[in-house]
Amino acid sequence: AQTVTQSQPEMSVQEAETVTLSCTYDTSESDYYLFWYKQPPSRQMILVIRQEAYKQQNATENRFSVNFQKAAKSFSLKISDSQLGDAAMYFCAYKKSGGSNYKLTFGKGTLLTVNP
Amino acid sequence: GAVVSQHPSWVICKSGTSVKIECRSLDFQATTMFWYRQFPKQSLMLMATSNEGSKATYEQGVEKDKFLINHASLTLSTLTVTSAHPEDSSFYICSARDGLEKLFFGSGTQLSVL
Repeated sequence: AQTVTQSQPEMSVQEAETVTLSCTYDTSESDYYLFWYKQPPSRQMILVIRQEAYKQQNATENRFSVNFQKAAKSFSLKISDSQLGDAAMYFCAYKKSGGSNYKLTFGKGTLLTVNP
Repeated sequence: GAVVSQHPSWVICKSGTSVKIECRSLDFQATTMFWYRQFPKQSLMLMATSNEGSKATYEQGVEKDKFLINHASLTLSTLTVTSAHPEDSSFYICSARDGLEKLFFGSGTQLSVL
Protein backbone atom coordinates (compact mmCIF):
# COMPACT_ATOMS: atom_id res chain seq x y z
CA ALA A 1 0.00 0.00 0.00
CA GLN A 2 1.11 3.52 -0.66
CA THR A 3 2.14 5.65 2.28
CA VAL A 4 2.92 9.35 2.53
CA THR A 5 5.09 10.69 5.34
CA GLN A 6 5.44 14.27 6.44
CA SER A 7 8.07 14.33 9.15
CA GLN A 8 7.54 17.93 10.24
CA PRO A 9 4.34 18.35 12.27
CA GLU A 10 4.99 22.10 12.56
CA MET A 11 7.17 24.65 10.83
CA SER A 12 7.52 28.40 11.15
CA VAL A 13 8.94 31.04 8.86
CA GLN A 14 9.44 34.78 8.93
CA GLU A 15 7.43 36.81 6.51
CA ALA A 16 9.31 37.25 3.18
CA GLU A 17 11.63 34.35 3.95
CA THR A 18 11.72 30.90 2.32
CA VAL A 19 10.59 27.66 3.88
CA THR A 20 10.73 24.06 2.71
CA LEU A 21 8.24 21.41 3.75
CA SER A 22 9.29 17.78 3.48
CA CYS A 23 7.38 14.81 2.14
CA THR A 24 8.43 11.25 1.37
CA TYR A 25 6.31 8.49 -0.02
CA ASP A 26 6.44 4.81 -0.67
CA THR A 27 5.13 3.16 -3.81
CA SER A 28 5.97 0.37 -6.21
CA GLU A 29 4.32 2.22 -9.09
CA SER A 30 6.37 3.97 -11.76
CA ASP A 31 3.70 6.44 -12.81
CA TYR A 32 1.72 8.49 -10.35
CA TYR A 33 0.81 12.00 -9.27
CA LEU A 34 1.95 13.96 -6.24
CA PHE A 35 0.19 16.96 -4.78
CA TRP A 36 0.53 19.61 -2.14
CA TYR A 37 -2.73 20.86 -0.68
CA LYS A 38 -3.19 23.81 1.64
CA GLN A 39 -5.87 23.86 4.32
CA PRO A 40 -6.23 27.32 5.92
CA PRO A 41 -8.33 27.93 9.04
CA SER A 42 -11.43 28.00 6.83
CA ARG A 43 -10.70 24.28 6.29
CA GLN A 44 -11.19 24.55 2.53
CA MET A 45 -8.70 22.27 0.79
CA ILE A 46 -6.81 24.20 -1.87
CA LEU A 47 -4.55 22.63 -4.46
CA VAL A 48 -1.15 24.32 -4.32
CA ILE A 49 0.84 22.34 -6.84
CA ARG A 50 0.80 19.06 -8.75
CA GLN A 51 3.62 16.91 -10.11
CA GLU A 52 3.37 14.05 -12.57
CA ALA A 53 5.97 11.41 -11.84
CA TYR A 54 6.92 10.88 -15.47
CA LYS A 55 7.94 14.53 -15.77
CA GLN A 56 11.48 15.18 -14.64
CA GLN A 57 11.01 18.93 -14.49
CA ASN A 58 9.96 20.22 -11.09
CA ALA A 59 6.56 21.89 -11.02
CA THR A 60 6.33 25.56 -10.09
CA GLU A 61 3.38 27.84 -9.37
CA ASN A 62 4.44 31.41 -8.68
CA ARG A 63 6.07 31.39 -5.23
CA PHE A 64 5.58 27.66 -4.80
CA SER A 65 7.93 25.08 -6.24
CA VAL A 66 8.74 21.47 -5.58
CA ASN A 67 11.89 19.41 -5.44
CA PHE A 68 10.84 16.05 -6.84
CA GLN A 69 13.41 13.32 -6.36
CA LYS A 70 11.84 10.18 -7.84
CA ALA A 71 14.61 7.76 -6.93
CA ALA A 72 14.59 8.98 -3.35
CA LYS A 73 10.78 9.15 -3.32
CA SER A 74 10.94 12.65 -1.99
CA PHE A 75 8.63 15.54 -2.83
CA SER A 76 9.38 18.72 -0.90
CA LEU A 77 7.55 22.03 -1.22
CA LYS A 78 9.40 25.33 -1.22
CA ILE A 79 7.54 28.51 -0.45
CA SER A 80 9.44 31.65 -1.38
CA ASP A 81 8.75 35.16 -0.11
CA SER A 82 6.39 33.77 2.51
CA GLN A 83 3.25 35.77 3.16
CA LEU A 84 0.94 35.86 6.16
CA GLY A 85 -1.74 34.25 4.01
CA ASP A 86 0.45 31.19 3.54
CA ALA A 87 -0.17 30.19 7.15
CA ALA A 88 -2.09 26.93 6.97
CA MET A 89 -1.88 23.18 7.29
CA TYR A 90 -0.11 21.68 4.28
CA PHE A 91 -0.81 18.15 3.15
CA CYS A 92 1.27 16.11 0.75
CA ALA A 93 -0.76 13.58 -1.25
CA TYR A 94 -0.20 10.70 -3.65
CA LYS A 95 -2.40 9.27 -6.38
CA LYS A 96 -1.86 6.37 -8.72
CA SER A 97 -1.95 7.23 -12.38
CA GLY A 98 -4.49 5.98 -14.86
CA GLY A 99 -7.18 3.35 -14.66
CA SER A 100 -10.14 4.05 -12.45
CA ASN A 101 -8.18 4.71 -9.31
CA TYR A 102 -8.47 8.33 -8.28
CA LYS A 103 -7.91 7.73 -4.60
CA LEU A 104 -5.70 10.24 -2.80
CA THR A 105 -3.46 9.15 0.05
CA PHE A 106 -2.59 12.02 2.36
CA GLY A 107 0.26 12.60 4.73
CA LYS A 108 -0.48 13.75 8.27
CA GLY A 109 0.20 17.37 7.45
CA THR A 110 2.57 20.15 8.43
CA LEU A 111 1.24 23.21 10.22
CA LEU A 112 2.97 26.29 8.85
CA THR A 113 3.10 29.47 10.89
CA VAL A 114 4.21 32.70 9.25
CA ASN A 115 5.61 35.27 11.66
CA PRO A 116 5.33 38.98 10.80
CA GLY B 1 -11.29 26.73 -11.54
CA ALA B 2 -13.95 24.14 -10.93
CA VAL B 3 -16.26 24.60 -7.97
CA VAL B 4 -17.59 21.97 -5.63
CA SER B 5 -20.37 23.06 -3.31
CA GLN B 6 -20.93 21.22 -0.06
CA HIS B 7 -23.96 21.79 2.12
CA PRO B 8 -24.54 22.32 4.96
CA SER B 9 -21.33 23.83 6.25
CA TRP B 10 -22.20 22.81 9.78
CA VAL B 11 -24.95 20.86 11.45
CA ILE B 12 -25.89 19.97 14.99
CA CYS B 13 -28.18 17.02 15.57
CA LYS B 14 -29.46 14.85 18.37
CA SER B 15 -28.12 11.38 18.93
CA GLY B 16 -30.11 8.80 16.99
CA THR B 17 -31.16 11.09 14.17
CA SER B 18 -29.90 11.02 10.59
CA VAL B 19 -28.10 13.79 8.77
CA LYS B 20 -27.67 14.26 5.03
CA ILE B 21 -24.74 16.12 3.50
CA GLU B 22 -24.78 17.18 -0.15
CA CYS B 23 -21.86 17.57 -2.51
CA ARG B 24 -22.42 19.22 -5.88
CA SER B 25 -20.07 19.90 -8.76
CA LEU B 26 -21.28 23.24 -10.08
CA ASP B 27 -19.55 23.63 -13.42
CA PHE B 28 -18.43 20.16 -14.41
CA GLN B 29 -19.69 16.61 -14.45
CA ALA B 30 -18.17 14.41 -11.80
CA THR B 31 -18.43 10.70 -12.48
CA THR B 32 -16.48 10.06 -9.30
CA MET B 33 -16.75 11.78 -5.95
CA PHE B 34 -14.99 11.01 -2.71
CA TRP B 35 -15.98 11.40 0.92
CA TYR B 36 -13.39 12.07 3.60
CA ARG B 37 -13.49 12.42 7.33
CA GLN B 38 -11.11 14.64 9.27
CA PHE B 39 -10.67 14.68 13.02
CA PRO B 40 -9.22 17.79 14.68
CA LYS B 41 -5.60 18.39 13.76
CA GLN B 42 -5.44 15.20 11.76
CA SER B 43 -5.26 14.26 8.11
CA LEU B 44 -8.08 13.41 5.77
CA MET B 45 -9.17 9.79 5.85
CA LEU B 46 -10.96 8.47 2.79
CA MET B 47 -14.28 6.93 3.72
CA ALA B 48 -15.70 5.94 0.36
CA THR B 49 -15.60 6.44 -3.37
CA SER B 50 -18.88 7.35 -4.98
CA ASN B 51 -19.47 6.46 -8.63
CA GLU B 52 -22.43 7.85 -10.53
CA GLY B 53 -25.07 5.24 -11.11
CA SER B 54 -23.43 2.50 -9.07
CA LYS B 55 -22.81 1.48 -5.49
CA ALA B 56 -20.19 3.29 -3.51
CA THR B 57 -16.93 1.60 -2.63
CA TYR B 58 -16.18 1.85 1.07
CA GLU B 59 -12.77 1.81 2.69
CA GLN B 60 -11.94 -0.87 5.19
CA GLY B 61 -13.47 -0.19 8.57
CA VAL B 62 -16.16 2.18 7.32
CA GLU B 63 -19.68 0.98 8.04
CA LYS B 64 -21.69 1.17 4.84
CA ASP B 65 -24.99 0.94 6.72
CA LYS B 66 -23.98 3.86 8.93
CA PHE B 67 -22.68 6.09 6.14
CA LEU B 68 -25.05 5.84 3.18
CA ILE B 69 -23.77 7.30 -0.06
CA ASN B 70 -25.89 8.04 -3.10
CA HIS B 71 -24.55 9.38 -6.40
CA ALA B 72 -27.70 9.64 -8.47
CA SER B 73 -26.49 12.22 -10.98
CA LEU B 74 -23.26 13.45 -12.52
CA THR B 75 -23.28 16.54 -10.32
CA LEU B 76 -24.59 15.36 -6.97
CA SER B 77 -23.46 12.92 -4.32
CA THR B 78 -24.96 12.68 -0.84
CA LEU B 79 -23.66 11.24 2.39
CA THR B 80 -26.23 10.31 5.02
CA VAL B 81 -25.03 9.60 8.52
CA THR B 82 -27.70 7.32 9.92
CA SER B 83 -28.54 7.03 13.61
CA ALA B 84 -25.78 9.46 14.44
CA HIS B 85 -23.91 9.18 17.72
CA PRO B 86 -21.46 11.55 19.38
CA GLU B 87 -18.50 9.55 18.05
CA ASP B 88 -19.67 10.42 14.52
CA SER B 89 -18.96 14.07 15.25
CA SER B 90 -16.30 15.12 12.79
CA PHE B 91 -15.48 17.27 9.78
CA TYR B 92 -16.65 15.65 6.55
CA ILE B 93 -15.24 16.75 3.18
CA CYS B 94 -16.18 15.72 -0.32
CA SER B 95 -14.15 15.98 -3.47
CA ALA B 96 -15.01 15.54 -7.12
CA ARG B 97 -12.92 14.49 -10.08
CA ASP B 98 -13.09 16.37 -13.35
CA GLY B 99 -12.09 14.88 -16.69
CA LEU B 100 -8.47 15.96 -16.37
CA GLU B 101 -7.32 13.96 -13.36
CA LYS B 102 -7.88 16.96 -11.12
CA LEU B 103 -9.72 16.78 -7.84
CA PHE B 104 -11.64 19.65 -6.33
CA PHE B 105 -12.79 19.80 -2.75
CA GLY B 106 -15.93 21.04 -1.13
CA SER B 107 -15.72 23.41 1.81
CA GLY B 108 -16.57 20.71 4.32
CA THR B 109 -19.30 20.02 6.84
CA GLN B 110 -18.76 20.11 10.58
CA LEU B 111 -21.11 17.60 12.20
CA SER B 112 -21.75 17.78 15.92
CA VAL B 113 -23.90 15.07 17.47
CA LEU B 114 -25.28 15.84 20.91
